[in-house]
Amino acid sequence: GIQVEQSPPDLILQEGANSTLRCNFSDSVNNLQWFHQNPWGQLINLFYIPSGTKQNGRLSATTVATERYSLLYISSSQTTDSGVYFCAGGEETSGSRLTFGEGTQLTVNP
Amino acid sequence: ETGVTQTPRHLVMGMTNKKSLKCEQHLGHNAMYWYKQSAKKPLELMFVYSLEERVENNSVPSRFSPECPNSSHLFLHLHTLQPEDSALYLCASSQGSGGIYEQYFGPGTRLTVT
Repeated sequence: GIQVEQSPPDLILQEGANSTLRCNFSDSVNNLQWFHQNPWGQLINLFYIPSGTKQNGRLSATTVATERYSLLYISSSQTTDSGVYFCAGGEETSGSRLTFGEGTQLTVNP
Repeated sequence: ETGVTQTPRHLVMGMTNKKSLKCEQHLGHNAMYWYKQSAKKPLELMFVYSLEERVENNSVPSRFSPECPNSSHLFLHLHTLQPEDSALYLCASSQGSGGIYEQYFGPGTRLTVT
């Protein structure tokens, strides 16, 4: 199966700063999602983005499928952005099944 | 209720107990999933149930037994668990499993085995 590598593993920011999280895949994926896990464990869907660029408020994501990576941008970060960010991908033969990365632990300080 | 719900939210059980986790999706989806999230590890897919397939991760011990009576409900029956089974168990659903569909997650059940 595919390997999913996320970087950085940990990130500490001051409120208002911008950041970029990266996700690399060992093989081609045609199903890619970004999630935010809040302190209570709930996984919140951020983006479904097998390719291209999407924006939602202060968050945006870009996937370059041919180069097997995806980026999540957080602008003007807020303390409520703290938590773990996961990317997950699925291979062509896997249907909707996802393989998750280990996550980026983001802490935004006031 | 909307989205994906899970009960109970917290569970403490002894190694000789039998318990069940319940998941219900209100999204009209046809595929449901169980994931295990242990501390400092990525989410691991345990089971997939859909109209197209039933997939089991061969590394999941038989002390975990899934049941999917219909497309809206998914159970995980637990018996004679070990302390290392303590984890957050997450349920998800998607429109299908054979194609490429976005998954939506429930809030999880935090399980502690004593």
